[in-house]
Amino acid sequence: DAGVTQSPTHLIKTRGQQVTLRCSPISGHKSVSWYQQVLGQGPQFIFQYYEKEERGRGNFPDRFSARQFPNYSSELNVNALLLGDSALYLCASSLFHRANQPQHFGDGTRLSIL
Amino acid sequence: GESVGLHLPTLSVQEGDNSIINCAYSNSASDYFIWYKQESGKGPQFIIDIRSNMDKRQGQRVTVLLNKTVKHLSLQIAATQPGDSAVYFCAEHYGQNFVFGPGTRLSVLP
Repeated sequence: DAGVTQSPTHLIKTRGQQVTLRCSPISGHKSVSWYQQVLGQGPQFIFQYYEKEERGRGNFPDRFSARQFPNYSSELNVNALLLGDSALYLCASSLFHRANQPQHFGDGTRLSIL
Repeated sequence: GESVGLHLPTLSVQEGDNSIINCAYSNSASDYFIWYKQESGKGPQFIIDIRSNMDKRQGQRVTVLLNKTVKHLSLQIAATQPGDSAVYFCAEHYGQNFVFGPGTRLSVLP
């Protein structure tokens, strides 16, 4: 069975540009969450989506936005990129959005800002 | 002890020994916990979970212990193998999302 898939795997952008990252959840999973992982640290929560609605948001600026599509896939958009946005962006899926649901991660998109 | 940023706490163990990785979590109201393993260039891989109404749960070669009194979580790995070398994260479910600890690097010595 396919796990969580993310694209692209690597991306290089310059300051001020915009980026869109994509995620396909595990088949049957309806909830998708996005995390940012800076080198040497644990993942930090950005968004959770369930049934195309935002169900949770972390402490990130409005430059970060996301959406979920009817097939439960998701996109993360980041505008006006800053050097500090360089990180590994992880997508995780779970069956539902409630607690007590294990989240399963993809291998992430490595975003580098020059 | 714990540290943040680029200096991950490191645990070195001999192959075949047991490993114990510790985690102090933040919120007494957290109701669900997960241990993840992250290898270089990969996303976090689910290992084992535990709900707050339990204090111990066992999987294949792994055991998670939860002490809610002192907000402490531990992961025990039996008969540690070279393939267990990775960074291990605990994650607590609090509010609407998971909060991850800073991670511990496990290094398995031959």
